[in-house]
Amino acid sequence: DVVMTQSPLSLPVTLGQPASISCRSSQSLVYSDGNTYLNWFQQRPGQSPRRLIYKVSNRDSGVPDRFSGSGSGTDFTLKISRVEAEDVGVFYCMQGTHWPLTFGGGTKVEIK
Amino acid sequence: EMQLLESGGGLVQSGGSLRLSCAASGFTFSSYAMSWVRQAPGKGLEWVSGISFSGGDTYYADSVKGRFTISRDNSKNTLYLQMNSLRGEDTAVYYCAKDWHLAVWGQGTLVTVSS
Repeated sequence: DVVMTQSPLSLPVTLGQPASISCRSSQSLVYSDGNTYLNWFQQRPGQSPRRLIYKVSNRDSGVPDRFSGSGSGTDFTLKISRVEAEDVGVFYCMQGTHWPLTFGGGTKVEIK
Repeated sequence: EMQLLESGGGLVQSGGSLRLSCAASGFTFSSYAMSWVRQAPGKGLEWVSGISFSGGDTYYADSVKGRFTISRDNSKNTLYLQMNSLRGEDTAVYYCAKDWHLAVWGQGTLVTVSS
């Protein structure tokens, strides 16, 4: 199985400051069709997860543009340009290239 | 608006069975693959199973293979997860999600397996 490793585990951030989460995969996530199926999800406290980013860098509808995804191959990053109070929660990366689909362990974003 | 509504969770004894349902609305259900993902209390997300749009292809995590069966009824816009031989480690909130890349999630249904 592809192992997804996120860092850091916990990320205290000051409101209005940037934040960055790293996600590394144990194998390349480039699929035979040329796409890289790396997605990012946010889970706010007490809520279901929601997808923020698909195929590395594509924002889902309604996702604020302060969220951005980048990376290639085995190394990916989610950035929040200016953290807002509503961004508190746990962020997960997930690879959809290889079966079984696998998630990173999560990064908890909290306000300092 | 796309919506997924899970049901069927509850308390079951170890070794027992449960069938979860996920009712879809707001999109053409029969055109999309669907997935089940679970989250044990206080833990991260674990993909459980997926099914192609037609139901012809199914996939399972090793942890549930041989015990869980995913299926769908496109005439009813409903996804199912039949769970047999349940164990304590299956205790979790179970979410259904749209397509292989989990574009839309339901609110989840809690399954508690007691010993």
